[in-house]
Amino acid sequence: QVQLVQSGAEVKKPGASVKVSCKASGYTFTSYYMHWVRQAPGQGLEWMGIINPSGGSTSYAQKFQGRVTMTRDTSTSTVYMELSSLRSEDTAVYYCARDGYSSGWDWGQGTLVTVSS
Amino acid sequence: NFMLTQPHSVSESPGKTVTISCTGSSGSIASNYVQWYQQRPGSAPTTVIYEDNQRPSGVPDRFSGSIDSSSNSASLTISGLKTEDEADYYCQSYDSSNQGVFGGGTKLTVL
Repeated sequence: QVQLVQSGAEVKKPGASVKVSCKASGYTFTSYYMHWVRQAPGQGLEWMGIINPSGGSTSYAQKFQGRVTMTRDTSTSTVYMELSSLRSEDTAVYYCARDGYSSGWDWGQGTLVTVSS
Repeated sequence: NFMLTQPHSVSESPGKTVTISCTGSSGSIASNYVQWYQQRPGSAPTTVIYEDNQRPSGVPDRFSGSIDSSSNSASLTISGLKTEDEADYYCQSYDSSNQGVFGGGTKLTVL
């Protein structure tokens, strides 16, 4: 079965960067795109971008252009999301989600990133 | 910018049927598939409807999705409500640039 296991919680200072990982198993890693979505405390879901694990191509939400970088390592079936120039408003749970096409999205368990001085 | 608008909250009694709407701000909501996600408190979202009206395996047939082009909206209908259905529900689609878009979410209370 599809499993997406994300890295653990992070605490960062304003201005720093954070890199969250999402290790995939149970399917052919390079055959399915991966989304990143975040959720601030008490708020709704926000789409950040998508990566094609096959060739590494990406598309980012305009709001995060210039601050977010999504990469992948096919040798370990892991995708990464790095967000730079962190501010308090970036405190959120970050999710990876596999786009299953004709089966819907499968979600990781989420990673809490706290930005605080 | 393309936006999806959902009611902030809905409530209904166990055993009844509830419908949650998701209205597109511009263009045709039928241009891209709509998905629906359920999120219980403290948990990650899960998919309950994909491609407008398809249910992933394991999702009961009490959940159904539809599109109404005349009102430019999508709907999630849950019949035979159970207390376990109490959760936040989000619709999701894509804009004309294939950027993902979420609705603001609807809190379903089953009382």
